[in-house]
Amino acid sequence: DQQVKQNSPSLSVQEGRISILNCDYTNSMFDYFLWYKKYPAEGPTFLISISSIKDKNEDGRFTVFLNKSAKHLSLHIVPSQPGDSAVYFCAASAWNTGTASKLTFGTGTRLQVTL
Amino acid sequence: DSGVTQTPKHLITATGQRVTLRCSPRSGDLSVYWYQQSLDQGLQFLIQYYNGEERAKGNILERFSAQQFPDLHSELNLSSLELGDSALYFCASSEEGRRNTEAFFGQGTRLTVV
Repeated sequence: DQQVKQNSPSLSVQEGRISILNCDYTNSMFDYFLWYKKYPAEGPTFLISISSIKDKNEDGRFTVFLNKSAKHLSLHIVPSQPGDSAVYFCAASAWNTGTASKLTFGTGTRLQVTL
Repeated sequence: DSGVTQTPKHLITATGQRVTLRCSPRSGDLSVYWYQQSLDQGLQFLIQYYNGEERAKGNILERFSAQQFPDLHSELNLSSLELGDSALYFCASSEEGRRNTEAFFGQGTRLTVV
C-alpha cells in the first residue's frame, strides 16, 4: 500500500525554467510533508517542508504547495539550475503521541536540468 | 555533513551469511530509523528505535533485527542473506520533543550479496 506516490519517475527541464515535482498521498493522518534531495552515493538531504496548517512554504528558489483537499503537494524550483539534477523524494509523517514519527517516502522523481 | 555516521560504507558478502550495519545518530537525537532502498526504488521504512526501545516497525523481514544501545547508536543485523537483500541501507535520526521535525540521513551502507 503506497501511501505516498510520486507518479513521475523522471523529469527533464531546461536550465532557467521552472521544475514542478508532484506528490500525492492517501493517508489523511499525515500532517507534515517534506521534500528530500538525493545525489548518487549520498544519503537524502532535507530540502523543504510544510505543515498541514499552511498551504505554501517558500525558501529561496524552492516553494512547496499543499492542497489538503486533493491530498496533493508539489515542489517548484525556480529557476532550475544544473546542480538541481538529483532524485527528489516526497515524504510525509503523522504526529503520533508526542514523539517524532517515521517518514513515509514516495518512490522519487529523477530531475535532470539540461543546459 | 548530516551528523549521522554509518559504517561500513560498502559491504560485500555471500548468500547465507550475517552482517551488522552500524549507525551513530546526531548528537542529542533519540530516535533512529532504518530504511532500505533497492534498485532506484523509494526508501522503505524498516524500523524505528527511540531511546533504546522499538517504537515502530515497517516492512522488516524476520531475518532482520535491530537494536539501539544506551549510547544511542544502533545496529541493524541482517542474517541468512539472500541475493534480493542487496540494497542501500540508510539510517536516519531525528530530534524529539518537536512536532514537525525532519530526519537527518547518513550516507548509507551499500550491501551486495553474491
